Amino acid sequence: GENVEQHPSTLSVQEGDSAVIKCTYSDSASNYFPWYKQELGKRPQLIIDIRSNVGEKKDQRIAVTLNKTAKHFSLHITETQPEDSAVYFCAASLRSGGGADGLTFGKGTHLIIQP
Amino acid sequence: SAVISQKPSRDICQRGTSLTIQCQVDSQVTMMFWYRQQPGQSLTLIATANQGSEATYESGFVIDKFPISRPNLTFSTLTVSNMSPEDSSIYLCSTRQGYTEAFFGQGTRLTVV
Repeated sequence: GENVEQHPSTLSVQEGDSAVIKCTYSDSASNYFPWYKQELGKRPQLIIDIRSNVGEKKDQRIAVTLNKTAKHFSLHITETQPEDSAVYFCAASLRSGGGADGLTFGKGTHLIIQP
Repeated sequence: SAVISQKPSRDICQRGTSLTIQCQVDSQVTMMFWYRQQPGQSLTLIATANQGSEATYESGFVIDKFPISRPNLTFSTLTVSNMSPEDSSIYLCSTRQGYTEAFFGQGTRLTVV
């Protein structure tokens, strides 16, 4: 089955600086890669996703890049703000013949924005 | 988007008992998923529930321990059976819109004593 590795486990950056979180996946058939933000005590919320036919996607301060050959994808957050502090999870999924599969998650990155 | 209501939000249970978690979606969906999130950890897929067929379990999870029902296209239940303290976790149900975004219920925080 799919295996997703995520690094770093903890990332502390100064407010206004950029943050980068990296993930690798093992199954070359995976074709959908979302990133979720989870605040303490809350459910995961999608912040951005990318499909395997796209190399990069951007939404305001957040961007995701995908390298299918190397089987890795990264989350980039620019101009970080205190409200960006949370745990971020990457995930991978493939589209099977019977319908959408569940997600395989990385272990998460605790992002801390220092004022 | 899909709105998912999950209950109970939390419970404290005695070891050896069972708890059934309910998940209601505000629209008809083909696939529903159940995840476990142990304290401070990531989410792990327990099983996929497709209406009208048996649930498909991931490695390490078995039907006797986590029986699932999927009686219609908007509802599913997960039962945690014969509980032990190791079952203390957050359990989340989820669905996907087509082949993209997954939405999650608010989770059930289970403590087994």
